[in-house]
Amino acid sequence: NAGVMQNPRHLVRRRGQEARLRCSPMKGHSHVYWYRQLPEEGLKFMVYLQKENIIDESGMPKERFSAEFPKEGPSILRIQQVVRGDSAAYFCASSRGGAGGNQPQHFGDGTRLSIL
Amino acid sequence: GENVEQHPSTLSVQEGDSAVIKCTYSDSASNYFPWYKQELGKGPQLIIDIRSNVGEKKDQRIAVTLNKTAKHFSLHITETQPEDSAVYFCAADGDYKLSFGAGTTVTVRA
Repeated sequence: NAGVMQNPRHLVRRRGQEARLRCSPMKGHSHVYWYRQLPEEGLKFMVYLQKENIIDESGMPKERFSAEFPKEGPSILRIQQVVRGDSAAYFCASSRGGAGGNQPQHFGDGTRLSIL
Repeated sequence: GENVEQHPSTLSVQEGDSAVIKCTYSDSASNYFPWYKQELGKGPQLIIDIRSNVGEKKDQRIAVTLNKTAKHFSLHITETQPEDSAVYFCAADGDYKLSFGAGTTVTVRA
């Protein structure tokens, strides 16, 4: 009974390094979403992907951030040259369908990224 | 874009009493409204959702109401228990992009 799996749970990076966050969706789900949560705030949408396609990346910063969901393997959120402001909890969600379907999104337990 | 406001930010209730959390949204195109419960160190857990063609939905001690005209929706928890203590988030979705409220920290006093 595997839900959405995210790893690592905690990630510490120094300024200027790269951070790679991984997400495996629930079984049977082919739609993945990434959200960012700052302390004591709600989650903010970053990007929506289907297998091998980025559908909507309107919530993702234009520089340093990228996401992919390859045909095989987990979805990856990549942050290059991290800065202190990137410190946050990053959550991945998955659903069966996506656009036009309002399918429930189920979340993983997140990756807590800390930048030294 | 969609703007979701959530009140109150904190809520303390006596065990056995009811808790009510209210949210408003701005985009009349939104048609799906989930509620999530988040415990410390965990991800948001979907607890109930409602679609725009329904005015009310109930699941055991939890109920949601939706007023599309006024663009607000509410979560009601009855007979609260200590395990209901958590942060609760409302969200609105017009297609696939969830817009979240800022959250309500609910504390149930024994």
